[in-house]
Amino acid sequence: QVQLVESGGGVVQPGRSLSLSCAASGFSFRNYAMHWVRQAPGKGLEWVAVIWHDGSNVKYADSVKGRFTISRDRSKNTLNLQMNSLRVEDTAIYFCARDARAAAGTYLDNWGQGTLVTVSS
Amino acid sequence: EIVLTQSPDFQSVTPKERVTITCRASQSIGSNLHWYQQKGDQSPKLLITYASQSFSGVPSRFSGSGSGTDFTLTINSLEAEDAATYYCHQSLSYPFTFGPGTKVAIK
Repeated sequence: QVQLVESGGGVVQPGRSLSLSCAASGFSFRNYAMHWVRQAPGKGLEWVAVIWHDGSNVKYADSVKGRFTISRDRSKNTLNLQMNSLRVEDTAIYFCARDARAAAGTYLDNWGQGTLVTVSS
Repeated sequence: EIVLTQSPDFQSVTPKERVTITCRASQSIGSNLHWYQQKGDQSPKLLITYASQSFSGVPSRFSGSGSGTDFTLTINSLEAEDAATYYCHQSLSYPFTFGPGTKVAIK
């Protein structure tokens, strides 16, 4: 079955960097767009970024544009999120999620369990 | 950016009652509206796609309707396991956006 396992979360100081990964298994990773969605403690869901199935296109939320970079490693079936210049307001659980399509984007049909990122001095 | 609003914010319901949650978009999104359920500390789970299509394995008591700017998620005959927060999500355009959520509690 589809499995998405995030890793890389932790506590980091404001202004520093952190890299998240999402290991995908149980499906043909190369055929699906992938997203990052985050959830601040006690808050709702916020979409962060998407990458097309072949890595040809990426899109970001304005709140992270220029600071975060989404990428994928098709040989390792891994989705990545490089987070630079972290801010206190980036504190959240970060979920990776599979799009039902290869490109453009539609509903998110499978989600990982999330990894917690805490930005604090 | 397309803004989604949901009502109510919170609803306390007796088992077997019907629950209705609404989601309104700031502009027409056709049927590009999906619903998710999130229980406690779990990750969200997909319930309804394209406004009214039930996702695989979702109990038949969950249904969706609407198009354009106004959408509804209905839970018929609520069960205790349905206690959760429900989110709508639009996929018409980026940035993708979610509604603020509706928390459903069991009386």
